[in-house]
Parts: sequence; structure tokens; C-alpha cells
Amino acid sequence: EVQLVESGGGLVKPGGSLRLSCAASGYTFTNAWMNWVRQAPGKGLEWVGRVKSKTDGGTTDYTAPVKGRFTISRDDSKTTLYLQMNSLKTEDTAVYFCASGTYHYDAFDIWGQGTMVTVSS
Amino acid sequence: EIVLTQSPGTLSLSPGERATLSCRASQSVSSNYLAWYQQKPGQAPRLLIYGASSRPAGIPDRFSGSGSGTDFTLTISRLEPEDSAVYYCQQYHNSRTFGQGTKVEIK
Repeated sequence: EVQLVESGGGLVKPGGSLRLSCAASGYTFTNAWMNWVRQAPGKGLEWVGRVKSKTDGGTTDYTAPVKGRFTISRDDSKTTLYLQMNSLKTEDTAVYFCASGTYHYDAFDIWGQGTMVTVSS
Repeated sequence: EIVLTQSPGTLSLSPGERATLSCRASQSVSSNYLAWYQQKPGQAPRLLIYGASSRPAGIPDRFSGSGSGTDFTLTISRLEPEDSAVYYCQQYHNSRTFGQGTKVEIK
């Protein structure tokens, strides 16, 4: 069974840091472009960023609001994706999903269940 | 950044009716890198359409996608009660962005 399982969410103060993990199983993680998508409470979906597969260069892209604060990385030996979040702001409060596409580039057919990040004093 | 604008904001229809959801892009989405998702409360989104008009395995054929360039449409041909959800379009041609969503309510 193809599965993505996020962990690491929680409550953090503004200015703080948090690292999310996304453990993948049941498919070829090494070849996958992996993404983070977030959803603030009661709001729509926002793409956060992506890391390509190592064979495709392993490069990262981010949405403007998180550039310079968030870092996406991957450990193919552990089939795990990470999101390091620094200098957190209240507007980063959201459910964070990891997601991947197996049909057509970054059309995401595989999603985790999400992990909640709350930034509040 | 490509901005996606979805309309209407909310659609209220009866079972068996046809739903037509629109997604308009601020610039052309090349090669039809456009997807549609369904999201129910408390769940992760589910991919319904990729490449503007292709369905992944397991998606009922009452869901269909069409369009090109800057105008795309998701059609649900015969609404069923379980289709009550929020639907998002997403482009993955130039970075990745989502529309703001259309809520479909079943009367």
C-alpha cells in the first residue's frame, strides 16, 4: 500500500523552529518529486515547496512567503522527506501535508494525512 | 506567479443534476498542466483529474475535465450525495498554485 505519514507538528512560539517529517512507503521514493502543501484553518490549499529526485538534480523550489525561512530536504535511504521551518510566524499556522505525483509530474495523487502546526504565543 | 480564479464560490444542486465548475488562469497553462482535486472535511485532497482531462484509476467517469490555455472546467455529470465537498484546481506548469476552491453542496 502506498502511504505517506507526516509527523512533527505541534505548538511553537513566533520566531521558533520546527521540523516536520514525512515517511513514505509502498512506492519508489527515490524517483519521486516530493512536495509540501499547507492549509490554514478554514482556508484553501497553498503549495509550500518541492524537492526533485536526486536523478533530476535534487533541487528545491518554494513559494514566496516561505523562501529563506523553510528548507525542504530528503533522505532517500530512509524514504523520508523533511520540512525545516525557521522564524515561524502566526500566519504559518496550518495543517501541513506531504504530497507526490505518480501520474503526471506534480499532479498529486499521493497525500499524507497531514500534521498540524500552530504558531502562537 | 500564475493566479487561478475559481467560480462560482458555492454551488448548490440536487442529486442527479450536472455541476460545472470553472477555473481561470491569469496566464496560459502550457501543456495542460492542470489538475482538479476533491476535499472533504478533515481529509486530504483527492486527485480527480490531471493533464486537464485525464482521470486516475478509481475515479468515477461522472467526473470529467476539459479546457486549455487559460480556461478549464470540471464537470460532474450526475451529482451524488457523496460529491458534497470543496473542489480545487491546481496548475503545475509554472511553479505550483491552487485556486481558492468551489464548495459543492447537495440539496
